[in-house]
Amino acid sequence: DGGITQSPKYLFRKEGQNVTLSCEQNLNHDAMYWYRQDPGQGLRLIYYSQIVNDFQKGDIAEGYSVSREKKESFPLTVTSAQKNPTAFYLCASAPQSSYTEQFFGPGTRLTVL
Amino acid sequence: AQSVAQPEDQVNVAEGNPLTVKCTYSVSGNPYLFWYVQYPNRGLQFLLKYITGDNLVKGSYGFEAEFNKSQTSFHLKKPSALVSDSALYFCAVRDRRSGGSYIPTFGRGTSLIVHP
Repeated sequence: DGGITQSPKYLFRKEGQNVTLSCEQNLNHDAMYWYRQDPGQGLRLIYYSQIVNDFQKGDIAEGYSVSREKKESFPLTVTSAQKNPTAFYLCASAPQSSYTEQFFGPGTRLTVL
Repeated sequence: AQSVAQPEDQVNVAEGNPLTVKCTYSVSGNPYLFWYVQYPNRGLQFLLKYITGDNLVKGSYGFEAEFNKSQTSFHLKKPSALVSDSALYFCAVRDRRSGGSYIPTFGRGTSLIVHP
């Protein structure tokens, strides 16, 4: 069953802690993306990767870090430098072609206590 | 940079009536446009896209969208709404980033509420 998975579904963090969100895909897609969703603000791009071992900052990269060591995996770390990390985080993947749509995971809801 | 605007935060429609969710775009060159739907606490699902060709694009779940170049619009439509269509709808446009990558830019989303 092909798809894109994110874990955990819900995550609670204390202030000052780093936390890593998992994103895995078995669609053989080259490109992967991380978005943050806040009510009324749509999706904002955090980081993206078009190929293994390479990634670029999106529009709101401050306080976040990523790695792309394997084609299937694109984990996102929310660091203590992110001032307002409580949000819904979405991972997506797509074939390399710029004409294709993205496939989204189910999301992780992060809450800072 | 390319952008899309969704002028309505919320659209209310009665079940069985036609629905329209509006999207306008601002691009240089040819626009590549997408519609996605999001159900509560879920990821986005692709509905349809316009790349080139026929201005009326048909997609999943009975949705269609009309590309109008003169009005720079790409409105999502369905002839007869269902209660199960109630969800958040996002319009997106392909945007070229520094470095040459093409990444979608999303609108703020429109909440569609279909009343029984």
